[in-house]
Amino acid sequence: EVQLVESGGGLVQPGGSLRLSCAASGFTFSSYWMSWVRQAPGKGLEWVANIKQDGSEKYYVDSVKGRFTISRDNAKNSLYLQMNSLRAEDTAVYYCARKSSSWWFDPWGQGTLVTVSS
Amino acid sequence: NFMLTQPHSVSESPGKTVTISCTGSSGSIASNYVQWYQQRPGSAPTTVIYEDNQRPSGVPDRFSGSIDSSSNSASLTISGLKTEDEADYYCQSLRVFGGGTKLTVL
Repeated sequence: EVQLVESGGGLVQPGGSLRLSCAASGFTFSSYWMSWVRQAPGKGLEWVANIKQDGSEKYYVDSVKGRFTISRDNAKNSLYLQMNSLRAEDTAVYYCARKSSSWWFDPWGQGTLVTVSS
Repeated sequence: NFMLTQPHSVSESPGKTVTISCTGSSGSIASNYVQWYQQRPGSAPTTVIYEDNQRPSGVPDRFSGSIDSSSNSASLTISGLKTEDEADYYCQSLRVFGGGTKLTVL
C-alpha cells in the first residue's frame, strides 16, 4: 500500500523554527518528485514546495522563499520541510504528497498541524 | 498570476446530478492537466479525477471530468448523488488550486 505519514508539527512561537518529516512507503520513493501542500484553518489548499527525485531542483511558493527548505533522503524514504522565521500566517495543516509529471498530487499524507502563536 | 475560480458552494438532492465549475483566469486551461480532489472534514484530500478526465481505481464512474476550452473552464460532474458525496471539492492545475466548493447533498 502506498502511504505517506507526516510528523513534526506542533506549537511554535513567531520567529521560531520547526522541521516536518514525511515517511514514504509502498513505492519507489527515489523515482518521484515530492511536494508539500498546506491548508490554513478553514481555508483552501496552497502548494508550498516541490523537490526533484535527486534533490537537484527545488521550487517554492513566493511567501516561503528564503524561510523554508525542502529536502529529502532517498536512503530513508523520507521528505522534510525545514521551516524558519515562522509567522502566524504559516499556521496550517501541512501535507506531503507524491507528485506526477502531470502535477497530479497523489497520494497525500494525513497531515501535520503547525500552529504559530505566542 | 494564474488563478482557478470555483463556486463557493453548491447543493443538490440525492440521486440528482451536480456540476462544479473551475474557471481559469488567463491562458488556456486546456494547456495543462486539471485534477479534482475530494476532502471530507478532518481528512486529507483524495483524488476523484486526474489528468482532466481520468478516474483512479476505486472512484465510482458517477464522477466525471471535462474541459471546455470555449469557457476556459474545467468541470466535475457527479451523477446519482449520494449523501457520502457531501464534501469540499478542489480543482488544481500545476501549482494552483481553486478555492474549493462545498457540496451539500440534502
